[in-house]
Amino acid sequence: AQKITQTQPGMFVQEKEAVTLDCTYDTSDPSYGLFWYKQPSSGEMIFLIYQGSYDQQNATEGRYSLNFQKARKSANLVISASQLGDSAMYFCAMRPYGNNRLAFGKGNQVVVIP
Amino acid sequence: NAGVMQNPRHLVRRRGQEARLRCSPMKGHSHVYWYRQLPEEGLKFMVYLQKENIIDESGMPKERFSAEFPKEGPSILRIQQVVRGDSAAYFCASSPLEGNTEAFFGQGTRLTVV
Repeated sequence: AQKITQTQPGMFVQEKEAVTLDCTYDTSDPSYGLFWYKQPSSGEMIFLIYQGSYDQQNATEGRYSLNFQKARKSANLVISASQLGDSAMYFCAMRPYGNNRLAFGKGNQVVVIP
Repeated sequence: NAGVMQNPRHLVRRRGQEARLRCSPMKGHSHVYWYRQLPEEGLKFMVYLQKENIIDESGMPKERFSAEFPKEGPSILRIQQVVRGDSAAYFCASSPLEGNTEAFFGQGTRLTVV
């Protein structure tokens, strides 16, 4: 079974600043994928970024980057140059290779202030 | 190319009634996953279906909940005799195959039991 831990309290971030969202995980699977999703107040789940456990480099997608530290079992999301539209809940998730059943953390609330 | 379509977006049921939630996967996707999001929580896996088959229902409550994905038509998540604790957002995701591919989420159905 997989376990995802997101324990940061809600965060206020100044517009244009960077923010790091913490995620640690626990799994016995040797191969797995890590995901971050954004859930704005409208409720939909928006895929942001993916990191495979065997990827040598940290994933980046535009203003999103994933700080993957395999030995520490952490997969922190970094959002650079925050925008007001980044205000949302952010969920870390993982699945073992070979299936698409995702295990989610409880989320981090981010509010970007002008 | 429409994404994953869920309907209704919002559903209100009285205690004891039945709730039917529909999910039409993306075109070409034959794998469907249902997740439940309780307030202030991350998504929890419920069931994984392929056309006409339930592959994994390890996350489904033992009673009152059922799911199907018929040969023709959308996948249905059915909750009989709803109780207040069933109030949640229910998300459907689809993928073209099982394995190392991204699952795309619908916008969710918010069920409120009054």
